[in-house]
Amino acid sequence: SAVISQKPSRDICQRGTSLTIQCQVDSQVTMMFWYRQQPGQSLTLIATANQGSEATYESGFVIDKFPISRPNLTFSTLTVSNMSPEDSSIYLCSVSSLETQYFGPGTRLLVL
Amino acid sequence: AQSVAQPEDQVNVAEGNPLTVKCTYSVSGNPYLFWYVQYPNRGLQFLLKYITGDNLVKGSYGFEAEFNKSQTSFHLKKPSALVSDSALYFCAVRDAGSGNTGKLIFGQGTTLQVKP
Repeated sequence: SAVISQKPSRDICQRGTSLTIQCQVDSQVTMMFWYRQQPGQSLTLIATANQGSEATYESGFVIDKFPISRPNLTFSTLTVSNMSPEDSSIYLCSVSSLETQYFGPGTRLLVL
Repeated sequence: AQSVAQPEDQVNVAEGNPLTVKCTYSVSGNPYLFWYVQYPNRGLQFLLKYITGDNLVKGSYGFEAEFNKSQTSFHLKKPSALVSDSALYFCAVRDAGSGNTGKLIFGQGTTLQVKP
């Protein structure tokens, strides 16, 4: 299985600011996924990130709000822009290996 | 459209008793089915999956799940529950035809509470 790390593990941010979350994988992977888990809710896919191309966003998520970078096969970033309290969630990075998706520990974001 | 239903918000069992966490799914093609567990303040941990083959799959920590195509179910089971099994459990599905590009659809989650 893949070992995934995320930074920061948690943060408290002010409304209107932006936060960039980093995801590092211990092996090269083609696709990386970013999920959001709102308080008391299930997981929802934000976007899929391929190295060397623009991310593919799911319905309800836009690049201006959640810009993603994928500079190489082991790293990706997700930025949560112009934050509001509704963005308070856990953000999880995920990779697929041998037909299974593995998840990072998540970044717990609280927006005041 | 793909969907997953976990009909129980919470399941309560006594330690040592068998446990079942229910999951039903809907996909247009053949399903890839997964169970994940989330402990407080932790990420999602993979438990087990059904891709093809034997309908009974065994996973981590003594958990198993049975794929039932006619009932479109993939219930998670364990013969003897431990207090340490108390956590939030998610069932997820992906259409096999979408390959690794396909997104996982998650159920709403079931909180398992094991009482000593």
